[in-house]
Amino acid sequence: AQKITQTQPGMFVQEKEAVTLDCTYDTSDPSYGLFWYKQPSSGEMIFLIYQGSYDQQNATEGRYSLNFQKARKSANLVISASQLGDSAMYFCAMREVGGGFKTIFGAGTRLFVKA
Amino acid sequence: NAGVTQTPKFQVLKTGQSMTLQCAQDMNHEYMSWYRQDPGMGLRLIHYSVGAGITDQGEVPNGYNVSRSTTEDFPLRLLSAAPSQTSVYFCASSYSKGILNTEAFFGQGTRLTVV
Repeated sequence: AQKITQTQPGMFVQEKEAVTLDCTYDTSDPSYGLFWYKQPSSGEMIFLIYQGSYDQQNATEGRYSLNFQKARKSANLVISASQLGDSAMYFCAMREVGGGFKTIFGAGTRLFVKA
Repeated sequence: NAGVTQTPKFQVLKTGQSMTLQCAQDMNHEYMSWYRQDPGMGLRLIHYSVGAGITDQGEVPNGYNVSRSTTEDFPLRLLSAAPSQTSVYFCASSYSKGILNTEAFFGQGTRLTVV
């Protein structure tokens, strides 16, 4: 069965520093996709980055990169050069082929960026 | 382009009342889903649909019904509201059930309180 675990309820980072948000997953399906979403205090959900299970390279999107370690079943989000606007809730999510393409989410990590 | 539109944004119900949360998308997306967001639990999948006329249960379907008579609309019905259904509800859609790497587009959420 699909499962997503985010073990960090809250994280602090100094402005301009890098931060890693952890995500581990569990699946028996060889075909799956991993996503990260950002939820600011305003409440909307914003897609950040995607990694496919067969992708050979780690995904990058601007200041966001995904540290994908398939054997460890981890998909950590790395935010470089943190900005005050990065303060938000961050969710890791997974979609499986065998799971009917439904997407499940982790509990989330709240990131606080300090000036 | 409206994207995903959810109504209402806020709702207060009395225990035992019924209501329908509306969700509409204008992007011709096949895949639609409903989540509830509770503190510390992330987004939990209630029901999802891979196309008109096809729906399936997610992680927490009890107390909720859905139907998908058109591609555009995916309403969520609470048959007899309970205080445990107090939550923020999100509707989301994706381009295709057959593709892993399509991100979800979310509505702005409905904050429901059951008293």
